[in-house]
Amino acid sequence: GAVVSQHPSWVICKSGTSVKIECRSLDFQATTMFWYRQFPKQSLMLMATSNEGSKATYEQGVEKDKFLINHASLTLSTLTVTSAHPEDSSFYICSAKPIGTIPNEQFFGPGTRLTVL
Amino acid sequence: GDSVTQMEGPVTLSEEAFLTINCTYTATGYPSLFWYVQYPGEGLQLLLKATKADDKGSNKGFEATYRKETTSFHLEKGSVQVSDSAVYFCALRSTNQAGTALIFGKGTTLSVSS
Repeated sequence: GAVVSQHPSWVICKSGTSVKIECRSLDFQATTMFWYRQFPKQSLMLMATSNEGSKATYEQGVEKDKFLINHASLTLSTLTVTSAHPEDSSFYICSAKPIGTIPNEQFFGPGTRLTVL
Repeated sequence: GDSVTQMEGPVTLSEEAFLTINCTYTATGYPSLFWYVQYPGEGLQLLLKATKADDKGSNKGFEATYRKETTSFHLEKGSVQVSDSAVYFCALRSTNQAGTALIFGKGTTLSVSS
């Protein structure tokens, strides 16, 4: 149980295009999902906290107009990288916090590798 | 702000060797501490956790003890296997901020050879 999927797992796009990444909780509902970014050999950096039915909370330095987050249901959050540029190339990881569990429970997706040419 | 520092890798060991990966933290209050593992091509998986001082988390032969006096949460395993090769992340979350995200260390790559 407690599986989180991401789609796509790998995407290559041209500079200036937009890319949507989906994060789904497959067997539980989550009011809160988190989006992280991981550079090679670096730690995961929190980008934003996504709350179902409300606006996402972005971390300092993360452009909300560039990284659009939509959490329209209790099992799906999407991250759209708008007008992507090569510097946006990274590994994007989501995690989901199941409803009703103790605060420490959080499950991670397998990540999406974005390469912008 | 809160932060996690873990030893630089990579760590290269022979099978059955003893493993220690150091992790120290800076936080206000009393954070919960975690070790996550990321196997090649896979997502992060929770390895073990501890929620208060002197707690020992353990799983799959790995152990870590929450040491408040030294603000540490070092990961240990008595005898590593090739299948333990992965990246290990130490992380924390402040207990007074339920539902907030985790703060991660930079990760330590472990490579075990037979």
